[in-house]
Amino acid sequence: AQTVTQSQPEMSVQEAETVTLSCTYDTSESDYYLFWYKQPPSRQMILVIRQEAYKQQNATENRFSVNFQKAAKSFSLKISDSQLGDAAMYFCAYRRANDYKLSFGAGTTVTVRA
Amino acid sequence: SQTIHQWPATLVQPVGSPLSLECTVEGTSNPNLYWYRQAAGRGLQLLFYSVGIGQISSEVPQNLSASRPQDRQFILSSKKLLLSDSGFYLCASGVAEAFFGQGTRLTVV
Repeated sequence: AQTVTQSQPEMSVQEAETVTLSCTYDTSESDYYLFWYKQPPSRQMILVIRQEAYKQQNATENRFSVNFQKAAKSFSLKISDSQLGDAAMYFCAYRRANDYKLSFGAGTTVTVRA
Repeated sequence: SQTIHQWPATLVQPVGSPLSLECTVEGTSNPNLYWYRQAAGRGLQLLFYSVGIGQISSEVPQNLSASRPQDRQFILSSKKLLLSDSGFYLCASGVAEAFFGQGTRLTVV
């Protein structure tokens, strides 16, 4: 079974600064997808960014970018120019290419200080 | 894009009572549908998924069941709730990536 590990239960960042969330995963597959989801206090899960394992280029979505290290099985999320609205729980998730199921990490709570 | 409707938003039920949570999807046809449960401060655990009408796969043994009577309708049920069924339940749809509903907070008392 695939496991996703987020080793940082909580992270705090000053507004306008940068914070990096770590995620590692365990898999024997070569083709898969990785995701970062945001869960604000409303509890709805929102997709932040997606990375296909076959792509070497790191995905970027506005202020959100990833550092995908396939050999190390690492998938970190960088939030630049942090805003108060970025405060949420962030989940890393994994899915095999030929499967329907997402495996989630335990999450990292991000607090943004004004 | 897809929209996932999930209700009710909150529910308080006594132990031993039945449960029915409904999820409907707009903006797509023949979606893959999922039920997840999230314990407080934890990640999501996949409970059931469905790739078509009447097709249900269960991921973990439990007191719950799921049904898919229509293409874009997914129902989570229980005949008799247990205290341990309390949690936050999320319905999701998608293949390449999952889109989530707003969730139902279930408290069994």
